[in-house]
Amino acid sequence: AQTVTQSQPEMSVQEAETVTLSCTYDTSESDYYLFWYKQPPSRQMILVIRQEAYKQQNATENRFSVNFQKAAKSFSLKISDSQLGDAAMYFCAYSGGGADGLTFGKGTHLIIQP
Amino acid sequence: DAGVIQSPRHEVTEMGQEVTLRCKPISGHDYLFWYRQTMMRGLELLIYFNNNVPIDDSGMPEDRFSAKMPNASFSTLKIQPSEPRDSAVYFCASSLGGGFVAFFGQGTRLTVV
Repeated sequence: AQTVTQSQPEMSVQEAETVTLSCTYDTSESDYYLFWYKQPPSRQMILVIRQEAYKQQNATENRFSVNFQKAAKSFSLKISDSQLGDAAMYFCAYSGGGADGLTFGKGTHLIIQP
Repeated sequence: DAGVIQSPRHEVTEMGQEVTLRCKPISGHDYLFWYRQTMMRGLELLIYFNNNVPIDDSGMPEDRFSAKMPNASFSTLKIQPSEPRDSAVYFCASSLGGGFVAFFGQGTRLTVV
């Protein structure tokens, strides 16, 4: 079974600084998808960024980018120019190529210091 | 599109009562997922449907839990009888294709007293 590990229960960063959230996963599949979701206090799950495993190029969405290391099974999220609105729980998630739903990590609580 | 719509947003019920959670997926999406979120276990996949057919219900914790999808625009998750340990936030999500982006509803916070 696939597993997703987020080793940082909580991270804190100064506003306007850069922060990196870590994620590792375990799978025997070669074709899969990786995601980062944001969950603010409103509890809405919001997609931040998505990466297809077959793509070597790292995905980027404005201030959010990933460092995808397929061999190391690592998928970290970098948030540049942190803003107060970035404060939330961030979940790393895995989906196999066979369409079997998302497996989530335990989450990282991101605190933005003004 | 209005996104994935779940109802109710909050539900408080007494132990032993039947609880029904509802979900309307995004029109045109062919996958529907039910997840449960608790502090102890995080986000867990309970069951998912493809084209209204249940594909994998291995995450359903007990026989007290059941889910249906009678048509492409509606799904229910039922707990009968409910127990305090069922207290959690239940999310419904839908996607076009399994590996594509899953859009989540606002969730239903269930409290069983």
